[in-house]
Amino acid sequence: ETGVTQTPRHLVMGMTNKKSLKCEQHLGHNAMYWYKQSAKKPLELMFVYNFKEQTENNSVPSRFSPECPNSSHLFLHLHTLQPEDSALYLCASSHDSSTNEKLFFGSGTQLSVL
Amino acid sequence: GESVGLHLPTLSVQEGDNSIINCAYSNSASDYFIWYKQESGKGPQFIIDIRSNMDKRQGQRVTVLLNKTVKHLSLQIAATQPGDSAVYFCAETPHFGAGTRLFVKA
Repeated sequence: ETGVTQTPRHLVMGMTNKKSLKCEQHLGHNAMYWYKQSAKKPLELMFVYNFKEQTENNSVPSRFSPECPNSSHLFLHLHTLQPEDSALYLCASSHDSSTNEKLFFGSGTQLSVL
Repeated sequence: GESVGLHLPTLSVQEGDNSIINCAYSNSASDYFIWYKQESGKGPQFIIDIRSNMDKRQGQRVTVLLNKTVKHLSLQIAATQPGDSAVYFCAETPHFGAGTRLFVKA
């Protein structure tokens, strides 16, 4: 148990669906991150939030929409995805993203887009 | 963008042998590096870290070496066990290298 919980663990969706991934951390951290992990690429940083403010958007397509209502929760809203978006989506947290500390990861959501 | 990278995608070692996983970085100003282990079905988990004012740091069966001259770091696992089978990443938060998959042969 890392203190970071992601739901659902698995998700299958069609290209016209709208779904959301959820991440919750119980570590009292202030920074949260979304990563994409696919078989052919390393961990790709998508978004960073620090104290609820988005501090990094790594040129992510607009069909991925993050939301951080408070420091403990992070969502990734998905709509009109493509098959190449199928991947493991990992959430992480840290004390403060400005200090480049170690990250605590959830177990990820395995997403399949049909 | 990505500032760390790994030399080999896979490494296979015999149980009981020592494992060495390498990583290179490009930014001379980098001052803090972390090694993570990712087992199947899990997210990456912290193993050990090192700051640039150190050349070596030891943990339980793991050692990280940092060579600032050639911008290289390595993770050494002593007496590798089947439970060490995983993907290992070096990272300079929030950027990760490509990862090395370690296979441990019984």
